[in-house]
Amino acid sequence: DAGVIQSPRHEVTEMGQEVTLRCKPISGHNSLFWYRQTMMRGLELLIYFNNNVPIDDSGMPEDRFSAKMPNASFSTLKIQPSEPRDSAVYFCASSTTNYNEQFFGPGTRLTVL
Amino acid sequence: AQTVTQSQPEMSVQEAETVTLSCTYDTSENNYYLFWYKQPPSRQMILVIRQEAYKQQNATENRFSVNFQKAAKSFSLKISDSQLGDTAMYFCASTGNQFYFGTGTSLTVIP
Repeated sequence: DAGVIQSPRHEVTEMGQEVTLRCKPISGHNSLFWYRQTMMRGLELLIYFNNNVPIDDSGMPEDRFSAKMPNASFSTLKIQPSEPRDSAVYFCASSTTNYNEQFFGPGTRLTVL
Repeated sequence: AQTVTQSQPEMSVQEAETVTLSCTYDTSENNYYLFWYKQPPSRQMILVIRQEAYKQQNATENRFSVNFQKAAKSFSLKISDSQLGDTAMYFCASTGNQFYFGTGTSLTVIP
């Protein structure tokens, strides 16, 4: 198994631009999670899906952030418009259920100038 | 709210020695799982060990073992025969109605 796949690995963009991060979970996993990691705030859960349905999006910081999971093998996290304070490493993780261990992707390092 | 607390922001250990990382948690769940994750400088999050709360026996994975004290809600990680490759940030995590991570302990293994 290839594990959780995220793209791009690095993204540099200018303030105000739209950013789309992509994730392919491990096949057969029913839960998908998006996290943001910064030095100041540590690891934050943004949103998670069970069976492609968003269950808890209380961690999404603002309306500028949105996430979708159109099918079991693909999810996106979009930031529009992006701001410098969105600079962070964004992780996608998947698991068989929301109670089991999560398998993390390599992360996307986002820099907003 | 469910919380996970790691009270040691930084630790260091001599190569080949043993080190213990502390973690306490708070949950009202009866069935839950506990985990330790490792994040080396490559930033990849790697599962180190897991413990089911209903199991009394402490989990062990090679040089890594846990001391699970359910009544005290304590879940410490012991690393034996520390190696340079163990240098990383270590996160404790628990599940309830969602996944909760601690703030991490930065471990440095000194040659």
